[in-house]
Amino acid sequence: NAGVTQTPKFQVLKTGQSMTLQCAQDMNHEYMSWYRQDPGMGLRLIHYSVGAGITDQGEVPNGYNVSRSTTEDFPLRLLSAAPSQTSVYFCASSRRSSQPQHFGDGTRLSIL
Amino acid sequence: EDKVVQSPLSLVVHEGDTVTLNCSYEVTNFRSLLWYKQEKKAPTFLFMLTSSGIEKKSGRLSSILDKKELSSILNITATQTGDSAIYLCAGDTSGTYKYIFGTGTRLKVLA
Repeated sequence: NAGVTQTPKFQVLKTGQSMTLQCAQDMNHEYMSWYRQDPGMGLRLIHYSVGAGITDQGEVPNGYNVSRSTTEDFPLRLLSAAPSQTSVYFCASSRRSSQPQHFGDGTRLSIL
Repeated sequence: EDKVVQSPLSLVVHEGDTVTLNCSYEVTNFRSLLWYKQEKKAPTFLFMLTSSGIEKKSGRLSSILDKKELSSILNITATQTGDSAIYLCAGDTSGTYKYIFGTGTRLKVLA
C-alpha cells in the first residue's frame, strides 16, 4: 500500500531553473495539497485541489503552479526557482477536505 | 487573519515525565482541530477534535478541545524516547478547504 509518493526525495537547482515535484496517491482521495516547511514557520499551504480539474491557491502560491488532470496525480511546478524557495515540500491527500490528511515523505529542495 | 499558535516552541523532558502541549487558534468558521506527530519525515495523524470538552485518547496520548477558550491541549503521560518529535496542530476552516498549521512544538525525551 504505497499511500502518498513524492519524487524526487532531494533536488538541487540553480536560480532561474524550472522543475516539477511529483506527487501521486493510490487511495482515490479527492483532496490533495502541497505545503512547504521552513524552520520556525511550520507547514504553509501552497496550493490545493478538491478534485480532478479543480485547484486553488493557499497561503503562499507565488512562484508555483499546479494542475490536477487525474485523481491520482498532483504535480507542483516551480516556474523560475529562487533561493527563497529552498525548503522541504510535502504533498498530502485525504478522502475529503474535512478528513485528516496523509502526508508523503517530502522533497528537500535547495536552490543555489 | 487566521492563525494557529503553539506553545512551548520546544521542550526537553526525561523519560517517565508527563507533558502538556498547547495549541490556540483564531480560525474563521472553525470546523476542527487536528494534531500530527512529525519524526524524521512525514507528519502522521494523531487526533481530530470537533466537539468541545470531549477527550480523545490513544494509549498514553490524549487531547481535548475547548471551543470557549479557542484552544486545545495534547497530553503525553509516561513519556518515552520514541515520543521525541515535532508535534503540529492545525485548524480547519469550514468552506475554504484550507488547513492552517502552527509552527509546532519540538519535544525531546531524554533516557
